Amino acid sequence: DSGVTQTPKHLITATGQRVTLRCSPRSGDLSVYWYQQSLDQGLQFLIQYYNGEERAKGNILERFSAQQFPDLHSELNLSSLELGDSALYFCASSVVPDTDTQYFGPGTRLTVL
Amino acid sequence: QQQVKQSPQSLIVQKGGISIINCAYENTAFDYFPWYQQFPGKGPALLIAIRPDVSEKKEGRFTISFNKSAKQFSLHIMDSQPGDSATYFCAAGKSGTASKLTFGTGTRLQVTL
Repeated sequence: DSGVTQTPKHLITATGQRVTLRCSPRSGDLSVYWYQQSLDQGLQFLIQYYNGEERAKGNILERFSAQQFPDLHSELNLSSLELGDSALYFCASSVVPDTDTQYFGPGTRLTVL
Repeated sequence: QQQVKQSPQSLIVQKGGISIINCAYENTAFDYFPWYQQFPGKGPALLIAIRPDVSEKKEGRFTISFNKSAKQFSLHIMDSQPGDSATYFCAAGKSGTASKLTFGTGTRLQVTL
């Protein structure tokens, strides 16, 4: 158990809908990362937050957004969902953002029908 | 643009054998190279990591070999066990104010009896 929690574990929704994925980092970790894992793309970095501020952006679609709250938990919002958004979404956290060890949560499996 | 190339895609090794997974990177600014192990239904977990100031790092049965001039690094699993059966991801990151990991596409390892 990495200490990173993610909810929900599974999410099934329809195209065009909006969902919110939640992540609580390990106690003491200030940086949160979101990754998308799909069969054909592997693990893709989406976005990073550090102490409430956006730190780095990767291959994140404009339909996706995220934020980190004062209590350091983070939410990833996915809107106008498409079939291709079906994937595993992982949250990871680290103490600081400078190539420190990242600890991954168990992931949220999103299925868009 | 894929910046970390990983091979092989899948690997079958007999119990007691040596498993070798290779990665190559392009960005010479990368200075942190972790390996992650992922079991089905779980998030990736950090296995071992190396920085370019050393050419080899060993932790138990797991060894990373690093060749800076060739921009390559590899994971060796000695005395492979059925419990090592998992997907292994190499990754590369850059020290700085906004770090994110670039992952390889993964190697599915199966250790047979």
